[in-house]
Amino acid sequence: NAGVTQTPKFQVLKTGQSMTLQCAQDMNHEYMSWYRQDPGMGLRLIHYSVGAGITDQGEVPNGYNVSRSTTEDFPLRLLSAAPSQTSVYFCASSRNRVGSYNEQFFGPGTRLTVL
Amino acid sequence: DAKTTQPNSMESNEEEPVHLPCNHSTISGTDYIHWYRQLPSQGPEYVIHGLTSNVNNRMASLAIAEDRKSSTLILHRATLRDAAVYYCILRESGSGGSNYKLTFGKGTLLTVNP
Repeated sequence: NAGVTQTPKFQVLKTGQSMTLQCAQDMNHEYMSWYRQDPGMGLRLIHYSVGAGITDQGEVPNGYNVSRSTTEDFPLRLLSAAPSQTSVYFCASSRNRVGSYNEQFFGPGTRLTVL
Repeated sequence: DAKTTQPNSMESNEEEPVHLPCNHSTISGTDYIHWYRQLPSQGPEYVIHGLTSNVNNRMASLAIAEDRKSSTLILHRATLRDAAVYYCILRESGSGGSNYKLTFGKGTLLTVNP
């Protein structure tokens, strides 16, 4: 298994540009989520999905859109990039097994700079 | 989610045990204690979790106080590869995957000296 993969690894945008951060997992996990991590901070939840066709907002959703058309993919879209969105973005996935612990698996991250 | 308090940083020597503390005085009866760690330039990875009893796995041990208001992550023999930020996280775990929304604090930066 490749686990959780994210592309691109690095990206530089200009203010106002749009782009999509890709996230895929090959573990057939029901749950997927996006976090951002700013310097010296812990991770903050942006959006999450409990299954294909279902998404919901996390702690810091403004400026980001998500969709979940398949179990494997969970792209994060920046509609109009702003310097405040400069951050490292992590995608994560986990199972939904009733009565069991469902650890989260994280991708390697995408480092985004908005000029 | 209940709040956790961890020291900002700790230092250890290679091959010595490390005890990483976490205070969670407002923990509720259904909160699980999770530990994740983040190695430099990587995403977080799961370390261990527990509810009431002490837990051991291949990576670490988790010692939970009897009143559950604190816990300690124990690395039995620190290696240079254990240098990372360690996050102590509380999350209510019901019937299903409620662990998918984790709230990360700033964690403890562990430095391991050779």
